[in-house]
Amino acid sequence: GDSVTQTEGPVTLSEGTSLTVNCSYETKQYPTLFWYVQYPGEGPQLLFKVPKANEKGSNRGFEATYNKEATSFHLQKASVQESDSAVYYCAFTNAYKVIFGKGTHLHVLP
Amino acid sequence: NAGVIQTPRHKVTGKGQEATLWCEPISGHSAVFWYRQTIVQGLEFLTYFRNQAPIDDSGMPKERFSAQMPNQSHSTLKIQSTQPQDSAVYLCASSLGVNQDTQYFGPGTRLLVL
Repeated sequence: GDSVTQTEGPVTLSEGTSLTVNCSYETKQYPTLFWYVQYPGEGPQLLFKVPKANEKGSNRGFEATYNKEATSFHLQKASVQESDSAVYYCAFTNAYKVIFGKGTHLHVLP
Repeated sequence: NAGVIQTPRHKVTGKGQEATLWCEPISGHSAVFWYRQTIVQGLEFLTYFRNQAPIDDSGMPKERFSAQMPNQSHSTLKIQSTQPQDSAVYLCASSLGVNQDTQYFGPGTRLLVL
């Protein structure tokens, strides 16, 4: 069935260090891939999406490449900031239903 | 644009009571979705409306849960005879179209059943 597996958290980093959150997905269809970010007391908000294989999405210094062969969509950022502390969700949709990973809680220390 | 509005933000009910959660989608969006978020299960799809018509309720528990969309500006999720295991954050989302369009989420309603 459809599923998403991502790095289990929490992940704790110091400001200025690099981030990688691994994500792999499983589906028989042709998904659009997303990264969402959720702050306390808010709903998930779109970080970026990539509808096509082998393309890269990016926003606010975060980026991920849609690797169809490896069914992966790893999130990376070269230098994290304290304000990046949040929960990050890898997700996909085949048509209308969004399938989310379990989320990765990122803590960035000043 | 105000974004998706959900009310109330917090609700506490006693076991066996009814809870009604409200969602106002972004104006002009044709699709409305409900999800449930818990620590254990994460984010789970519940149900979906397109142009106010119910399309897929495959994620809804068969008993006690129902959802409606009486007009294009609001949707409700009703839980009858609430149980402690219904405690969760209920999220509403809307999208402009359907196929692989970005869903915009509201802040959620945190339901606590005592």
